[in-house]
Amino acid sequence: QKEVEQDPGPLSVPEGAIVSLNCTYSNSAFQYFMWYRQYSRKGPELLMYTYSSGNKEDGRFTAQVDKSSKYISLFIRDSQPSDSATYLCAMSPSTAGNKLTFGGGTRVLVKP
Amino acid sequence: DVKVTQSSRYLVKRTGEKVFLECVQDMDHENMFWYRQDPGLGLRLIYFSYDVKMKEKGDIPEGYSVSREKKERFSLILESASTNQTSMYLCASSPLGLAPADTQYFGPGTRLTVL
Repeated sequence: QKEVEQDPGPLSVPEGAIVSLNCTYSNSAFQYFMWYRQYSRKGPELLMYTYSSGNKEDGRFTAQVDKSSKYISLFIRDSQPSDSATYLCAMSPSTAGNKLTFGGGTRVLVKP
Repeated sequence: DVKVTQSSRYLVKRTGEKVFLECVQDMDHENMFWYRQDPGLGLRLIYFSYDVKMKEKGDIPEGYSVSREKKERFSLILESASTNQTSMYLCASSPLGLAPADTQYFGPGTRLTVL
């Protein structure tokens, strides 16, 4: 079983809809949680990070962490065609060495 | 702006060839990483380095080696390329920080095909 599980999609939504993405994990030592966005033929870029449990909001993006359930989520409000990309969750037990464990990525398509 | 560059975007090699993938970062980062990315498997860490001439094995180091002679440059070497090493290879760098925001910055990737 993978340490981090993520539905590969694709997830297709109409423009303006809320996109809901999630990852589950098995390692209770993870404390830092990140979401990366990867456009086609590009490297991943950091979208959001959270530490421990709780919510974090940045514009149209909200990240949630539920450590008790080992479950993290990313919500994209008012989705745009430019949000079409693969979204990868990543996590780490600490910042030391910055070793990250990634999920497989979810491909999202926002249709105009 | 952090910039991580990789020597080639696309590479085609033959089985048994020695392959060098080069990565350069311009932000004086201590840490550098090599990943491969395959559909459904996400990013898997091959090797990382936290200082010049230092290296650590990641989750899938078999068939690969690395070299870091200068702080800004991290090379991935496939000693004898095989078809199962056909993949997207991503290089990343990060500062040796203690803050959660000190995360990894990625290059554009090299798509390697081994025939």
